[in-house]
Amino acid sequence: DIQMTQSPSTLSASVGDRVTITCRASQSVSRRLAWYQQKPGKAPKVLIYKASSLESGVPSRFSGSGSGTEFTLTITSLQPDDFATYYCQQYSSYPWTFGQGTKVEIK
Amino acid sequence: QITLKESGPTLVKPTQTLTLTCTFSGFSLSTSDVGVAWIRQPPGKALEWLAFIYWDDYKSYTPSLKNRLTITRATSKNQVVLRMTNMDPVDTATYYCAHRMDTPMANDAFDFWGPGTTVIVSS
Repeated sequence: DIQMTQSPSTLSASVGDRVTITCRASQSVSRRLAWYQQKPGKAPKVLIYKASSLESGVPSRFSGSGSGTEFTLTITSLQPDDFATYYCQQYSSYPWTFGQGTKVEIK
Repeated sequence: QITLKESGPTLVKPTQTLTLTCTFSGFSLSTSDVGVAWIRQPPGKALEWLAFIYWDDYKSYTPSLKNRLTITRATSKNQVVLRMTNMDPVDTATYYCAHRMDTPMANDAFDFWGPGTTVIVSS
């Protein structure tokens, strides 16, 4: 199985901050990597697919980069609606696997 | 537009078999490269992919649960069913179904999700 490791696990930030979350794969997943945002009691919502493609309707302050084994999700100016948990997920090979999540909290 | 919704029992007893149904609209499981996945999330924990079924009936399961899972489709009913045997309290989770289309031209991740259904395993 490909292990996905996110860092940090928790991130405290203020509105307006630039935030970066890292996701590392235990072996190459090429660019078959997605980022999801999840709020309490809700289903995840896809933000980024193919490592850097922005899903339609997602604000442009979200961006993704990377390939192979190292990926980042960046929020350029954190907004109140962005406080949530973020997950990366590889879909390069079965079993598809998620990272353990990064909770973005209000500082 | 695409929607999915999970349904099934909220409470199951240990050793029982869980049957969950994903009813969807806005797409067909007969369309090339389309599939539906099941994903679960124990309380306070991360997401875990369980199973996937493609338009051509190709199926894949997470290895750790493969012996307990069966995914099937009822194409005419726009439904995908997940069956999990020998339920245990550690299987307590919210179970989601999600749509995926394996395409080089657009979003090939889980782009539409159901709201989830909570399953509690307890005697």
